[in-house]
Amino acid sequence: DQQVKQNSPSLSVQEGRISILNCDYTNSMFDYFLWYKKYPAEGPTFLISISSIKDKNEDGRFTVFLNKSAKHLSLHIVPSQPGDSAVYFCAASPSGSARQLTFGSGTQLTVLP
Amino acid sequence: EAGVTQFPSHSVIEKGQTVTLRCDPISGHDNLYWYRRVMGKEIKFLLHFVKESKQDESGMPNNRFLAERTGGTYSTLKVQPAELEDSGVYFCASSLSPDSEAFFGQGTRLTVV
Repeated sequence: DQQVKQNSPSLSVQEGRISILNCDYTNSMFDYFLWYKKYPAEGPTFLISISSIKDKNEDGRFTVFLNKSAKHLSLHIVPSQPGDSAVYFCAASPSGSARQLTFGSGTQLTVLP
Repeated sequence: EAGVTQFPSHSVIEKGQTVTLRCDPISGHDNLYWYRRVMGKEIKFLLHFVKESKQDESGMPNNRFLAERTGGTYSTLKVQPAELEDSGVYFCASSLSPDSEAFFGQGTRLTVV
């Protein structure tokens, strides 16, 4: 049974608009959440993270929101750029760090020029 | 500085054969992780080394999988004998400390036929 779920396998957005990628989790022990970005034939690269003590973390064009009561997090990219086209993985950890990550199945984001 | 490198990038073997995957972490990174993504689904944690010691191997699927990290440098993951369901992409990651960012390799795509 998947503990981290990304229900949208794909998302297309026009360049300059906002991209919103969603992620749900079921394990209440998760206290640290991360987003990774993956290009074809490459490994995932870390994008942004959030601790369970926060509900928002922002880094440039990327913002992660965490709703603990709903066990939901989202990644907002604004404005979206064609170079953002990649697979985005949501990941969670029970250890407050990047150890023992549980990943979702990924969402393919395509930013159209 | 070289990132995490994995060999081979692709491997096709027959069911029942043995395959050994190799991971060279970033120099100086004591923490090394193995993950795998099966059939395009979520990326799952396999195990975590701290130097040459297995810190957490709770994600190893069964005893056909053997991971080693002799000398605390590179690591190998051996699958013996390989089964069809072992097909997928095997990722290795390393980090300076358990609480710091994990950097991923490009993965080894294993196909068991």
